Amino acid sequence: AQSVTQLDSQVPVFEEAPVELRCNYSSSVSVYLFWYVQYPNQGLQLLLKYLSGSTLVKGINGFEAEFNKSQTSFHLRKPSVHISDTAEYFCAVSRSGGSNYKLTFGKGTLLTVNP
Amino acid sequence: DAMVIQNPRYQVTQFGKPVTLSCSQTLNHNVMYWYQQKSSQAPKLLFHYYDKDFNNEADTPDNFQSRRPNTSFCFLDIRSPGLGDAAMYLCATSALGPSGAYEQYFGPGTRLTVT
Repeated sequence: AQSVTQLDSQVPVFEEAPVELRCNYSSSVSVYLFWYVQYPNQGLQLLLKYLSGSTLVKGINGFEAEFNKSQTSFHLRKPSVHISDTAEYFCAVSRSGGSNYKLTFGKGTLLTVNP
Repeated sequence: DAMVIQNPRYQVTQFGKPVTLSCSQTLNHNVMYWYQQKSSQAPKLLFHYYDKDFNNEADTPDNFQSRRPNTSFCFLDIRSPGLGDAAMYLCATSALGPSGAYEQYFGPGTRLTVT
């Protein structure tokens, strides 16, 4: 089984500041990794994903994340945030190969961008 | 645009009165999921369909049922809603991608209020 730990439940930052949202996972098998964003009263939208290849992945809205297998981490970063980035961010993992159609989610990190 | 559609976006029902939430998709994905999400929590998988095969999570209450009459539509039935069933209900779909991963696409959700 897989598990995901999002180390910060809330991250307040000022507009135009850089941000890092932390995600660590645990799994006995290889995994795929995902970051989703959820705006208030909306569904989840995929920001980016790591499936294979380059460990640095770029996503929508200027976000990127780096897969670190030795540290079992997949931290999300943005060099300069906007007010509109205020949302809940979920890290998720699925096993690679086999029946991998189920996701395990972290508890989420609420990013609040202040003016 | 291909998408996942949920109706209604907001649903109010009375304690004990059966309610049905709807989900449709134009992605032609073979896997469909229903999640329950309570405030400030991660989505919790209730069940999913892999093609026509129904898969219930072990801790999903019997009060929750689902139907998938065809590839495009999936319904969530709550037979006797309790106050604790008030939540956001998210529908998602996925299919096996070229990389071997199932990437989930979410609908906008239905916010259920139980009075």
